[in-house]
Amino acid sequence: DAMVIQNPRYQVTQFGKPVTLSCSQTLNHNVMYWYQQKSSQAPKLLFHYYDKDFNNEADTPDNFQSRRPNTSFCFLDIRSPGLGDAAMYLCATSRDRDSTYEQYFGPGTRLTVT
Amino acid sequence: GQQVMQIPQYQHVQEGEDFTTYCNSSTTLSNIQWYKQRPGGHPVFLIQLVKSGEVKKQKRLTFQFGEAKKNSSLHITATQTTDVGTYFCAAGGTSYGKLTFGQGTILTVHP
Repeated sequence: DAMVIQNPRYQVTQFGKPVTLSCSQTLNHNVMYWYQQKSSQAPKLLFHYYDKDFNNEADTPDNFQSRRPNTSFCFLDIRSPGLGDAAMYLCATSRDRDSTYEQYFGPGTRLTVT
Repeated sequence: GQQVMQIPQYQHVQEGEDFTTYCNSSTTLSNIQWYKQRPGGHPVFLIQLVKSGEVKKQKRLTFQFGEAKKNSSLHITATQTTDVGTYFCAAGGTSYGKLTFGQGTILTVHP
C-alpha cells in the first residue's frame, strides 16, 4: 500500500544534542510537509518542499532544518533541541502544491528531550 | 495571516447523542478540509468542501460549507465510541497550498 512512513516512532534525545527525524513516501507526491504538534494543539507547519524547492514558515526557528535528497525522502534536523521542542513531529505529503489536494500524514515521531 | 476559529474545544457526549463542531473565518475561504485524529494517531483526511453552501454526507457525518464560504460545520448523528478523537478543520486559500488548521475539537463519547 502506498503510504507515508516515519522513523523512528519514538525518539529520546538530550538537551542540545542534534537529532534527525526521517520521512519516506511511496505516493510519489511532489510536496512534503513537516508539522510540529504539541499535546491538544493543532499541527503547526514548520516548512515544506515542493519538489526540491524549500519553503520555510516565517516563525519556524533556525534550530529546525530540513533536507529532501530525493522525491521519496525528507529529513527534519533539530540542531540543538530544547525542552520546548518536545512534541510529535508529523510528516505529510500532497500530490501538488494546491490546498485542494488532501494531505496524507505519516504516523509521526514523538520526540522527548531530557 | 489567515485564521480559523474552531469551537468547541472539548465535547463530551453520551453514546447515541449528536455532536457538532464549527469553524469560522473572517475571510472567504477557497476550500475547507476536515481531518480526524484518533488518540495517539495522526490526522486522517475525511472530506473537502469547495462550493458555497455545499453539503456532503458520509454515513452519520454531515459536512457543510457556508454560503459566504466563511464557515463550516461537521455534524455527527448518533455518536458511537468509534467516533472518539480530535476533529480538525483546515482551510485553504493561502499561498503554497498551505492549510490553516483550526484548534480542533476533542470528542469524548461515553458508552
